[in-house]
Amino acid sequence: IAGITQAPTSQILAAGRRMTLRCTQDMRHNAMYWYRQDLGLGLRLIHYSNTAGTTGKGEVPDGYSVSRANTDDFPLTLASAVPSQTSVYFCASSDTWDADTQYFGPGTRLTVL
Amino acid sequence: AQKVTQAQTEISVVEKEDVTLDCVYETRDTTYYLFWYKQPPSGELVFLIRRNSFDEQNEISGRYSWNFQKSTSSFNFTITASQVVDSAVYFCALSDPSGGYQKVTFGTGTKLQVIP
Repeated sequence: IAGITQAPTSQILAAGRRMTLRCTQDMRHNAMYWYRQDLGLGLRLIHYSNTAGTTGKGEVPDGYSVSRANTDDFPLTLASAVPSQTSVYFCASSDTWDADTQYFGPGTRLTVL
Repeated sequence: AQKVTQAQTEISVVEKEDVTLDCVYETRDTTYYLFWYKQPPSGELVFLIRRNSFDEQNEISGRYSWNFQKSTSSFNFTITASQVVDSAVYFCALSDPSGGYQKVTFGTGTKLQVIP
């Protein structure tokens, strides 16, 4: 069982470009999440999805969008990347959204120049 | 509003020493959940423990133990006889209904370095 996979592992992106970070889980978890991790700030929730077909905004949603067309996939899109979006992005999933344990993917390191 | 404070930014200990990582939380709810995660140098986040607010019993798992005290809003994590493999950043996190249970709030982390 792979758990959660994220792609790419790392990416350098020019400002203004569009970028989609991919996240796939094989645990049939209902809920999925996107976080960004910045030094000194811990992890901050960007968007979440309680179940396929639904999404919600987290703490820092501006500049990001998500979709949840099916249970397994939860892509994160930066429509027009800016340098402040340079970060490490983690995807996570949990069986339910109700304070259930979240399991994390390996992360994507994104640099926006 | 939910808040998690990990006041210790970095801690260094010599191998085999015991070390306690502090976590203080704020919540207006009586029902909530607390978590600890480990992030080793390789970068992945590893789940360690989940505890609900109604269970104040301390928990021990091998060299790891957790002390949950509602009276001081603390959920401290102790590593006994530390080892080099314990070197990592440790995050405490809180989930409560006022934030929506899915909106887990993480502390800023404590970086633990175990020196051989």
